[in-house]
Amino acid sequence: GAVVSQHPSWVICKSGTSVKIECRSLDFQATTMFWYRQFPKQSLMLMATSNEGSKATYEQGVEKDKFLINHASLTLSTLTVTSAHPEDSSFYICSARDLLAGNTYQETQYFGPGTRLLVL
Amino acid sequence: AQSVTQPDIHITVSEGASLELRCNYSYGATPYLFWYVQSPGQGLQLLLKYFSGDTLVQGIKGFEAEFKRSQSSFNLRKPSVHWSDAAEYFCAVGAVNTGNQFYFGTGTSLTVIP
Repeated sequence: GAVVSQHPSWVICKSGTSVKIECRSLDFQATTMFWYRQFPKQSLMLMATSNEGSKATYEQGVEKDKFLINHASLTLSTLTVTSAHPEDSSFYICSARDLLAGNTYQETQYFGPGTRLLVL
Repeated sequence: AQSVTQPDIHITVSEGASLELRCNYSYGATPYLFWYVQSPGQGLQLLLKYFSGDTLVQGIKGFEAEFKRSQSSFNLRKPSVHWSDAAEYFCAVGAVNTGNQFYFGTGTSLTVIP
């Protein structure tokens, strides 16, 4: 249980194009999803918190218009990197939390396998 | 301010030797504590977590961790390391009253030598 998938796992794009990354909770309903960015040999940096049916909450320094997040359903959140540039190249990881798993408040975040973005 | 410190950037151990990875946190509320492992190019896998109760928690793959409130620590241990344990290990802290945000340490890279 508690499986999170991401698609695609790899994406290479030209500078100026937009890239959409999907995050899905496969066997539970994710009331909250999180998007992280990880640079090589560094820790995860939280970009935004996405709650189903409402606007995402972005961390300080993260451009809302550049990193568009949509959490349209309880099992899907998408991150769109608009007008991507080489400096946006990174490893993007999503996580999902089942707030009421078994009627017990759950704080555990389950992570997707990540999406590696390379912008040329 | 909330923070998580993993003092050891890189650790090398021999296969079969014991392992301890350190994690210290600074948190204004009762913390929820986690250890995750990340293999190269992969996402994070949950090893274990502490919410409350017994301060010694058991996880997967033979790992355990002990919560010591007085030392603000949550160190990860394994009695006998296997070559497949080579990976990056992250300690994380979270709590309800922070909007459920996780704070991650900078990670400890583990190398296992035969």
